[in-house]
Amino acid sequence: QVQLQESGPGLVKPSQTLSLSCTVSGVSLSSGSYYWSWIRQPAGKGLEWIGRIYTIGSTSTGTTNYNPSLKGRVTISADTSKNQFSLKLSSVTAADTAVYFCARDIASRSNWFDPWGQGTLVTVSS
Amino acid sequence: QSVLTQPPSVSGAPGQRVTISCTGSSSNIGAGYAVHWYQQLPGAMPKLLIYGDSIRPSGVPDRFSGSKSGTSASLAITGLQAQDEADYYCQSYDSSLNGPFFGTGTKVTVL
Repeated sequence: QVQLQESGPGLVKPSQTLSLSCTVSGVSLSSGSYYWSWIRQPAGKGLEWIGRIYTIGSTSTGTTNYNPSLKGRVTISADTSKNQFSLKLSSVTAADTAVYFCARDIASRSNWFDPWGQGTLVTVSS
Repeated sequence: QSVLTQPPSVSGAPGQRVTISCTGSSSNIGAGYAVHWYQQLPGAMPKLLIYGDSIRPSGVPDRFSGSKSGTSASLAITGLQAQDEADYYCQSYDSSLNGPFFGTGTKVTVL
C-alpha cells in the first residue's frame, strides 16, 4: 500500500523560501514507475498543480515539469536514499499560503493523482 | 486560473441522483485528454474517485460514474447519501498550458 507524508515548517516569512519534503512508503522512488507531484490548495479555494518529478535509479534531480504560472520559483528534487522528494518555492508571498499536498502521479496521456498525502498547512507571514 | 469550469454547488435529497458538469475546451477535454474526478471530504485530502473518464478505482462504490462528450465531462452520483457531502473536482491535461489542471470544484450538499 503506497502512502505519502508531507513534512516541513508551517510558517515561512515573506520573500523567503518554502521547503517541504514528502516521504513515500510502499514503493521505491527510484523504480521509475511513477511521477511524483506537489499540489496546493489555499483555504476555501481549489486545487493547483505545482509540479512533478520522475526519477529512475539513484539520482536527485530526475525529470521535472512545473506549472508555468510558478516556473522560476519552483524546484522539485528527490533523495532516493530516503525515498523522499522535496519542494522548494522561493520568494514567497501571502498568496502562497496554502495546504500543500504530495501525491503519486500516474502518468499517461492525461495523468492522475493517487494516493495523496494528508497535506500540510504552510502560512506565509512575518 | 482554471481551464475547467464546474458549477459551484449542487444539492439533492437522500436517494436522489445528482450530476456535476466539467466544461473544458479544445485544448483539454475536447482534444481527447482523459478526465479524472476527486472527492474531498471536509478537512481531508482529495481521493481519486474516477480516472480515465469512467473507470472506478477498487473500493469506489458503483453509485459514482463518469462520462465524457465533446468538450465536457460529467460525474453522476446515484442513491445520494449523507456521506457523499463533499467537494468534487474534475482534472485533465491542457496542451496549451502543458500540464494537468483541476476544475473549479463543486460542493455537493445532501438536503
